[in-house]
Amino acid sequence: DTEVTQTPKHLVMGMTNKKSLKCEQHMGHRAMYWYKQKAKKPPELMFVYSYEKLSINESVPSRFSPECPNSSLLNLHLHALQPEDSALYLCASSLDTRYGYTFGSGTRLTVV
Amino acid sequence: DAKTTQPPSMDCAEGRAANLPCNHSTISGNEYVYWYRQIHSQGPQYIIHGLKNNETNEMASLIITEDRKSSTLILPHATLRDTAVYYCIPNGGATNKLIFGTGTLLAVQP
Repeated sequence: DTEVTQTPKHLVMGMTNKKSLKCEQHMGHRAMYWYKQKAKKPPELMFVYSYEKLSINESVPSRFSPECPNSSLLNLHLHALQPEDSALYLCASSLDTRYGYTFGSGTRLTVV
Repeated sequence: DAKTTQPPSMDCAEGRAANLPCNHSTISGNEYVYWYRQIHSQGPQYIIHGLKNNETNEMASLIITEDRKSSTLILPHATLRDTAVYYCIPNGGATNKLIFGTGTLLAVQP
């Protein structure tokens, strides 16, 4: 298995909702990442997990809460989002932080 | 983090070689140069990376200048499916995190 799987592919949520994005890989990668991408912009790094521990938080608002329950799974919990948080959310993984990343196809999030 | 400069857009005729330049004059000695591409509405895709020597794989070749201040990604026979935004990203060293710049939009023309 050489893929990073993200679910759901599309999500529409209200500003008072709580939802979660899921990312899964079975390549034995020990580093996992969340990125946010707005239309016509490059991906922006949000969080880095290395060996299941949060190693980098790029000053992301607390309404985004990452979780890494095990080495294969990465979640992004969403609460009280704003319409400007609408974006493509990308997950990636790598053998560790020194190696090339494999990206998932993303979750397209719309906040209404 | 090292900064990069890439042309915002380039055109290439189908079947011809596409040569995408990148300037990374502030790259540190232990940073690799990574190239990724992103086809519209998909996640970025790893292409190739290198430190000092030129590298080649099934997708592309990477030429790094001797002073490591610039590099060129070569797609030897571009196809329409190679139309994408191409990102050159120094990574490694003390802070291992992939930071995307604005990239080059390569349009392969029939």
